[in-house]
Amino acid sequence: GNSVTQMEGPVTLSEEAFLTINCTYTATGYPSLFWYVQYPGEGLQLLLKATKADDKGSNKGFEATYRKETTSFHLEKGSVQVSDSAVYFCALSDREYGGSQGNLIFGKGTKLSVKP
Amino acid sequence: EPEVTQTPSHQVTQMGQEVILRCVPISNHLYFYWYRQILGQKVEFLVSFYNNEISEKSEIFDDQFSVERPDGSNFTLKIRSTKLEDSAMYFCASSEVGNSNTEAFFGQGTRLTVV
Repeated sequence: GNSVTQMEGPVTLSEEAFLTINCTYTATGYPSLFWYVQYPGEGLQLLLKATKADDKGSNKGFEATYRKETTSFHLEKGSVQVSDSAVYFCALSDREYGGSQGNLIFGKGTKLSVKP
Repeated sequence: EPEVTQTPSHQVTQMGQEVILRCVPISNHLYFYWYRQILGQKVEFLVSFYNNEISEKSEIFDDQFSVERPDGSNFTLKIRSTKLEDSAMYFCASSEVGNSNTEAFFGQGTRLTVV
């Protein structure tokens, strides 16, 4: 069945360091891919998404490219800030574009801590 | 900014008791969802709801679980006869439409602890 695997955390970085959080997926068809973020005490928020191969999602300095050949959707940011400290979830929707939402399949989440 | 709200933030219940987790979705949204995350594990889809009926459910969502939209604003998850393994964070979500390109907005979650 469909699944998402993301790197185990926690990840601890210094401010202005480069961030990569790896995410790979297994899916039939052509899923949409998402990164959600959960800041302390808050709900899950959509960070970025990509709906087809080679699409790049970007938001708040974060970006991720939908790589069908490697079944990956790695999250990157060139220079992290303390305010980026949160848990990051990779997810896929197992319905093709235009179909019903179905369900989101999430990874376990990666906790990021950024130190000043 | 509109948001999904969930109450309570933390619920402690004794094994065998019934609990109701409450959610107020964003007012113009039509699709509603429940997910759960057992500590240290993945966020898992439980159920989706549209037009006053379940549109999809996972194998986790067995007869112990039920959902309801009792009054046009609340969306509830009822767990009958809770078990220790039901302890988890439960997230409610809503979206305007149901296609995979539409953002689902999540609540802050309710942490359920079964003792």
